[in-house]
Amino acid sequence: DGGITQSPKYLFRKEGQNVTLSCEQNLNHDAMYWYRQDPGQGLRLIYYSQIVNDFQKGDIAEGYSVSREKKESFPLTVTSAQKNPTAFYLCASSRQADGETQYFGPGTRLLVL
Amino acid sequence: QQQVKQSPQSLIVQKGGISIINCAYENTAFDYFPWYQQFPGKGPALLIAIRPDVSEKKEGRFTISFNKSAKQFSLHIMDSQPGDSATYFCAASPNQGGKLIFGQGTELSVKP
Repeated sequence: DGGITQSPKYLFRKEGQNVTLSCEQNLNHDAMYWYRQDPGQGLRLIYYSQIVNDFQKGDIAEGYSVSREKKESFPLTVTSAQKNPTAFYLCASSRQADGETQYFGPGTRLLVL
Repeated sequence: QQQVKQSPQSLIVQKGGISIINCAYENTAFDYFPWYQQFPGKGPALLIAIRPDVSEKKEGRFTISFNKSAKQFSLHIMDSQPGDSATYFCAASPNQGGKLIFGQGTELSVKP
């Protein structure tokens, strides 16, 4: 069953703590993306990767970090520098690095304790 | 110039009616315009997409109308059903490796 998986579904973060959100795809897609979704603000791009071992900052990269060591995996770390991390985080992938037809995972909701 | 503006923010339609959501853009380099549907707590799913070489694309009850000169495109949902109640996002992507730029979303509620 092909697709994009994200884990965990819910994640709680304590003050000053770094947390990592997992994103895995078995679609053999080259490009992967992380978005943050807040009510009424649509989807905002955090980071994207067009190829293994390479990634670029999106519109709201501050306080986040990523890695792309494997084609199928693109984990996102929310660092303690991100002062307002409560949001719904969505991972996506696309076949080519042109942004077209992005397929989304089910999302991770991050809450701050 | 990279923005995609979407309206309305929310929409209530009676069952069987037509739902219309509009988007406008400024960047003439955009050449791919998808619409995504998102149910609460789920990731968005591609609904339908269009390129500027056609003015309309229809898939079942869903139609995209595209006006290149006005730099506007819209989603029409015919015979709207309660199961269509979701948030809809328009998006646009420029050519040559550009990223998708999303609109702010429209929360559609179809009343029985």
